[in-house]
Amino acid sequence: SQKIEQNSEALNIQEGKTATLTCNYTNYSPAYLQWYRQDPGRGPVFLLLIRENEKEKRKERLKVTFDTTLKQSLFHITASQPADSATYLCALDKGNTPLVFGKGTRLSVIA
Amino acid sequence: GAGVSQSPSNKVTEKGKDVELRCDPISGHTALYWYRQSLGQGLEFLIYFQGNSAPDKSGLPSDRFSAERTGGSVSTLTIQRTQQEDSAVYLCASSLAPGTGGNNEQFFGPGTRLTVL
Repeated sequence: SQKIEQNSEALNIQEGKTATLTCNYTNYSPAYLQWYRQDPGRGPVFLLLIRENEKEKRKERLKVTFDTTLKQSLFHITASQPADSATYLCALDKGNTPLVFGKGTRLSVIA
Repeated sequence: GAGVSQSPSNKVTEKGKDVELRCDPISGHTALYWYRQSLGQGLEFLIYFQGNSAPDKSGLPSDRFSAERTGGSVSTLTIQRTQQEDSAVYLCASSLAPGTGGNNEQFFGPGTRLTVL
């Protein structure tokens, strides 16, 4: 069956450092991979989408990589700030079926 | 413009009662999705609408769950004879169109927190 795993439930880092979150998947061939941010008591908010033929995508302090051979995506936040503290979800997207979400990684950026 | 809205924001009900949860998607979004999120769990897909039809109901956990969408807009998720295990946050999302890559960004509502006593 399809499986998507995010590397850890929680990640604590110091302000100013780069946070790296991992998303691994098996038994799936997504055409795209999406990352969302979710704050407590709120719905997820879309951040970035990367296509299978793209190795890397950037948006301000965010960078996403997508390795279809390793079946892995890495999500980086550079120069992290306490305001970046949230749960980050990855989602697999075949392009014609509903998204498959991971359980998320809760990031805490400590001042 | 307005985002996705859901009502009620919180619902407390007794076991065995029926509940209706409402979702108002972003105007013009043809695709609408319902998810369930339990404490510490990821988003569990329930059902997806394209217009008023539901091509994928595969995530509905039992026949106590049903959903409809009218006028290509508002959707209602109904849970009959609620059980304690139905307690969760029910999230609705809409997108401009499904399966079009860059346009498949989903916009989520704030969710309805359902508690079944």
